[in-house]
Amino acid sequence: ILNVEQSPQSLHVQEGDSTNFTCSFPSSNFYALHWYRWETAKSPEALFVMTLNGDEKKKGRISATLNTKEGYSYLYIKGSQPEDSATYLCAFNDYKLSFGAGTTVTVRA
Amino acid sequence: KAGVTQTPRYLIKTRGQQVTLSCSPISGHRSVSWYQQTPGQGLQFLFEYFSETQRNKGNFPGRFSGRQFSNSRSEMNVSTLELGDSALYLCASSSHRGGGTEAFFGQGTRLTVV
Repeated sequence: ILNVEQSPQSLHVQEGDSTNFTCSFPSSNFYALHWYRWETAKSPEALFVMTLNGDEKKKGRISATLNTKEGYSYLYIKGSQPEDSATYLCAFNDYKLSFGAGTTVTVRA
Repeated sequence: KAGVTQTPRYLIKTRGQQVTLSCSPISGHRSVSWYQQTPGQGLQFLFEYFSETQRNKGNFPGRFSGRQFSNSRSEMNVSTLELGDSALYLCASSSHRGGGTEAFFGQGTRLTVV
């Protein structure tokens, strides 16, 4: 069973502040690392699929970096807005997706 | 284009019964994966079907099974239901097998076993 860990488990952010959180995964046999956003009462939505060491991806105010050699990825949210409140999941691809437990972000207005 | 559709959205079953859940993927997607989420747990991989064949299987008992039809629609079956099977079951479709491309998720089926 793959160990994909996300930290912190939850965080509260003031509107306008920036934040980041971590996903750690096995550094061997890397294929791809996925990030998903899961809002309450909705389906998980893909943010990024990252495949190369040093990859940096950006989507609006959200960005992610990848370090496959040390086995971690950071997700950044710049200038948090209430609509960013969601659980953010990372998933390590070892020919199937192994998900972390998620980081739940609550943005306070 | 239409997203991933799961039916039914909610189910209540009794211990010992069996249940079948359905997933219609995005048109053109041939990979369908199933996941279980229980309280306090992350998404746990059940299995993946691609071109009507099971390609990968997670660590679940044989009571959990599935199949995929020629139109890529997939069904998941759980026999002899246990209380611990109460969970949200999500399916996801992808254009390629093996998790190499982004997955598109349905809204899930909430199964309650009483």
